[in-house]
Amino acid sequence: DTGVSQNPRHKITKRGQNVTFRCDPISEHNRLYWYRQTLGQGPEFLTYFQNEAQLEKSRLLSDRFSAERPKGSFSTLEIQRTEQGDSAMYLCASGAWSHNSPLHFGNGTRLTVT
Amino acid sequence: QQPVQSPQAVILREGEDAVINCSSSKALYSVHWYRQKHGEAPVFLMILLKGGEQKGHEKISASFNEKKQQSSLYLTASQLSYSGTYFCGTETGNQFYFGTGTSLTVIP
Repeated sequence: DTGVSQNPRHKITKRGQNVTFRCDPISEHNRLYWYRQTLGQGPEFLTYFQNEAQLEKSRLLSDRFSAERPKGSFSTLEIQRTEQGDSAMYLCASGAWSHNSPLHFGNGTRLTVT
Repeated sequence: QQPVQSPQAVILREGEDAVINCSSSKALYSVHWYRQKHGEAPVFLMILLKGGEQKGHEKISASFNEKKQQSSLYLTASQLSYSGTYFCGTETGNQFYFGTGTSLTVIP
């Protein structure tokens, strides 16, 4: 168990550029969540995967955001045409099949849009 | 849908006790508690599955009142290492929400 891994740790991009983040969950975990967190706030739910199926997507998520989890393994979160308001920490969490099992978080990707 | 926590912030001296509350407007079937230190990812503390159930983790325990849709986290004889932001978490359908957070600072 190597934990949840996220890459890159930091990303600085110019407004209007596209960015993609990667999350490698704990191998046997079939639940995977993406969250966005800004300074002083709690993690804000973005989307949920159960294996390769994206079962839930936050209404707050604009069309510029898309996530995939091919083959139910790693996941990617892409933001197109980034805006300064997208600057935040993007966290990935994974959990075992039971919804009563804990979530394990990666260290996050900090995005700065200039 | 986000659970509301109280207080928003608390400062304790080492050895003092604290209670953090989590309240939801929706029915709760389970409650998770996490602690996040500055610049780090949230770390799981405990989960409560049934109403009235109480669990413990070292000197940190929690209760869950299903009928009142509330959970409380109890920190006794606080240590410096307890400092951080505490979040409760609940699941609604396929969404897992975190509470508004409580910043806890333990000073010597």
